[in-house]
Amino acid sequence: SQTIHQWPATLVQPVGSPLSLECTVEGTSNPNLYWYRQAAGRGLQLLFYSVGIGQISSEVPQNLSASRPQDRQFILSSKKLLLSDSGFYLCACKPGTGVYEQYFGPGTRLTVT
Amino acid sequence: AQSVTQPDIHITVSEGASLELRCNYSYGATPYLFWYVQSPGQGLQLLLKYFSGDTLVQGIKGFEAEFKRSQSSFNLRKPSVHWSDAAEYFCAVGDNYGQNFVFGPGTRLSVLP
Repeated sequence: SQTIHQWPATLVQPVGSPLSLECTVEGTSNPNLYWYRQAAGRGLQLLFYSVGIGQISSEVPQNLSASRPQDRQFILSSKKLLLSDSGFYLCACKPGTGVYEQYFGPGTRLTVT
Repeated sequence: AQSVTQPDIHITVSEGASLELRCNYSYGATPYLFWYVQSPGQGLQLLLKYFSGDTLVQGIKGFEAEFKRSQSSFNLRKPSVHWSDAAEYFCAVGDNYGQNFVFGPGTRLSVLP
């Protein structure tokens, strides 16, 4: 079965600083990968998804970007963080064909100060 | 477009009491339905899923859910709640491509001793 790792677990960054969050997946090949954001007390907002290396779809306009340099690596970035970027970031994986559910990593808590 | 509603933002039950969390969906085709649980500061864990077949599905931790097409509902139930069940519960609907995956806003469950 698949395992999803997220790094770091928590992060405190000043406004205007860059961001890089990493998600890696073990135990599956060619997965669909997703980045979600969860603001405090709110539901999940899909930010990006990827069906393959270098293939990124953005769901909402924002100052964040995503990249997939390897099959099982998904990176969320920003050049300049805003206060509104604070939240809980979750990486998810749909392992492959014939599987319809998503599996989630442990999340990264980002606080922008 | 798909949508999911969870009418109850917060539910409080006593330990040992039965539980039902409501979920209604809107989807043009046959839905793929899921329930997830999230403990504070954690990622989401899949409780159960429905694709086809028997409309009553069993999941982990003693949970079950029933798909009712006529009511567009997929309610989650547990006969006897444990204190460790206190968490946020999310209903989700997806398609067979795994790309259109929509979460409800969540229901927070509190358990009284």
